[in-house]
Amino acid sequence: GDSVTQMEGPVTLSEEAFLTINCTYTATGYPSLFWYVQYPGEGLQLLLKATKADDKGSNKGFEATYRKETTSFHLEKGSVQVSDSAVYFCALSDQIAAGANSKLTFGKGITLSVRP
Amino acid sequence: GAVVSQHPSWVICKSGTSVKIECRSLDFQATTMFWYRQFPKQSLMLMATSNEGSKATYEQGVEKDKFLINHASLTLSTLTVTSAHPEDSSFYICSARSLAGARGYEQYFGPGTRLTVT
Repeated sequence: GDSVTQMEGPVTLSEEAFLTINCTYTATGYPSLFWYVQYPGEGLQLLLKATKADDKGSNKGFEATYRKETTSFHLEKGSVQVSDSAVYFCALSDQIAAGANSKLTFGKGITLSVRP
Repeated sequence: GAVVSQHPSWVICKSGTSVKIECRSLDFQATTMFWYRQFPKQSLMLMATSNEGSKATYEQGVEKDKFLINHASLTLSTLTVTSAHPEDSSFYICSARSLAGARGYEQYFGPGTRLTVT
């Protein structure tokens, strides 16, 4: 079945540091890929997504590129802020464009803490 | 917009009792709602998918008689944990999706409910 593997955490960075969070996946077909963020006390929010190979999703300074050849969707940000401290989940849906019958498969999540 | 609430945010119950968790879409009509369970340092595990007015579809290994799901309206789904046991203690998260309009197929998540069974 489908699966998502995220790097082990937690991750602690100083403000303005470069961030990379690795995510690889296993899926049949052509999944859509997502990064969700969960701030303390809040529900998961969609951060960015990509629906086909070589697509780059971006939002709030975060970027991730759908790499079919390496089955990866690594999250990057050039300069993190304290407000980026949260839990980040990589996910895939089992149908292209997250259609009506799609389900999300999540990675374990990784906690990011950014120090001032 | 696209706010999903859960109630309660945390609950403690005694072993053998039942507890109901509500999931509401506050500003849109949710044709589909999902229930997830999250263990510490683990990913979200999909328990079941419910469409308004239909019976829920449970994932393999999830006991449908233990985790009762009702999606009676387009803004409310409930999860009832029946005859709860300590091993049911977990973080339960719902999400809602509308197929209509600009929201497309995106899932919107509630903040979760922490259940502790003593």
